[in-house]
Amino acid sequence: EIVLTQSPDTLSLSPGERATLSCRASQRINGNYLAWFQQKPGQAPSLLIYGASSRATGIPDRFSGSGSGTDFTLTISRLEPEDFAVFYCQQYGTSPFTFGPGTKVDIK
Amino acid sequence: QVQLQESGPGLVKPSETLSLTCNVSGASISSYSWNWIRQPPGKGLEWIGYIYYSGVSNYNPSLKGRAAMSVDKSKNQFSLNLSSVTAADTAVYYCARVRSTWYGIDCWGQGTLVTVTS
Repeated sequence: EIVLTQSPDTLSLSPGERATLSCRASQRINGNYLAWFQQKPGQAPSLLIYGASSRATGIPDRFSGSGSGTDFTLTISRLEPEDFAVFYCQQYGTSPFTFGPGTKVDIK
Repeated sequence: QVQLQESGPGLVKPSETLSLTCNVSGASISSYSWNWIRQPPGKGLEWIGYIYYSGVSNYNPSLKGRAAMSVDKSKNQFSLNLSSVTAADTAVYYCARVRSTWYGIDCWGQGTLVTVTS
């Protein structure tokens, strides 16, 4: 099973600041099948990035994904008030598909 | 617009079988892969498994053979049965669609809380 580690656990930032979230895999992710999801309290996760760097439909361009192999990054260029949430990475290249433990981005 | 809606009992007794159904609207069940994912209260996400309309399925080994999924084309629904439940199976259960091998999960249900308690 591929284990995903996310860092930091919590990121405290102000609106307008840049957020950089990391996701590291215990082994290479096939095809860079790595997704990022945002989850707000009481809601289901929603897809932000798929294939490591492709934005999902309707996702603003302040969200970007990068990386390959075992190291991946989600960047939010300028945080908007609605962006504060928990972010999960997920690998879907090798079964069982696994999620990282999440990074909480909260308001400083 | 694709919509997924979970339904099923909110309470299940230990050692019994948890049964949930996901109703799909706006997309045909005969396309895509259909998944279940769960999230214990205050914790992270765990992929349970997927099923295709053809019946091909794949489950997380962590569930030790307790999970089984099925598809009902006539109702455009798919279902999850999880047997021999314990308190550790208490979670919000989400159904979700995988749009393609490349795209991954693109649509989630709102989730339903299932509590295992005597």
